[in-house]
Amino acid sequence: GESVGLHLPTLSVQEGDNSIINCAYSNSASDYFIWYKQESGKGPQFIIDIRSNMDKRQGQRVTVLLNKTVKHLSLQIAATQPGDSAVYFCAESRRDDKIIFGKGTRLHILP
Amino acid sequence: EAGVAQSPRYKIIEKRQSVAFWCNPISGHATLYWYQQILGQGPKLLIQFQNNGVVDDSQLPKDRFSAERLKGVDSTLKIQPAKLEDSAVYLCASSSSDGVDGYTFGSGTRLTVV
Repeated sequence: GESVGLHLPTLSVQEGDNSIINCAYSNSASDYFIWYKQESGKGPQFIIDIRSNMDKRQGQRVTVLLNKTVKHLSLQIAATQPGDSAVYFCAESRRDDKIIFGKGTRLHILP
Repeated sequence: EAGVAQSPRYKIIEKRQSVAFWCNPISGHATLYWYQQILGQGPKLLIQFQNNGVVDDSQLPKDRFSAERLKGVDSTLKIQPAKLEDSAVYLCASSSSDGVDGYTFGSGTRLTVV
């Protein structure tokens, strides 16, 4: 069946450093991938997305990389700030249908 | 633009009791989703509506969970009777009829079953 998972449950990063959060997916039919940020007591918040016809997409301080050969997705956050502390989820969709989530990585920012 | 509204924010009930959650999606969004998020896990899709019709309810435990979206706008999710393992955050999301564009989540209802 389909699954979207993350490699690490927790990631600690020094403030100001870059963060890299990884995700592996198993369904080669997935054609749309999204990264969400979830803060305590809130719903998932869209960060950035990428379609399967691309391998890189950049936003403000965030970059998503997609490697379809090994079914790997990563989120890079530049110059990590205290406000980046949250749980990050990768998610997938096929043919613009419902979005399926993985388990999440908690990002801790060290002072 | 107003976001997805959910109520209540918190609910504590005893096992075997009933509970209902309400969701008001973003205006004009035809597709509405209910997710269950157990602590430490990612949201799991329970049911998907397109207007007032069910598109996918394959993950909904139909012996105790039910959902409706009678007029194609607001939706309610009900659990009857509740079990301890139903303790979770119940998230509602909506998107446009063109697919996942504008897929937006509400803040959720945190349910504790004791």
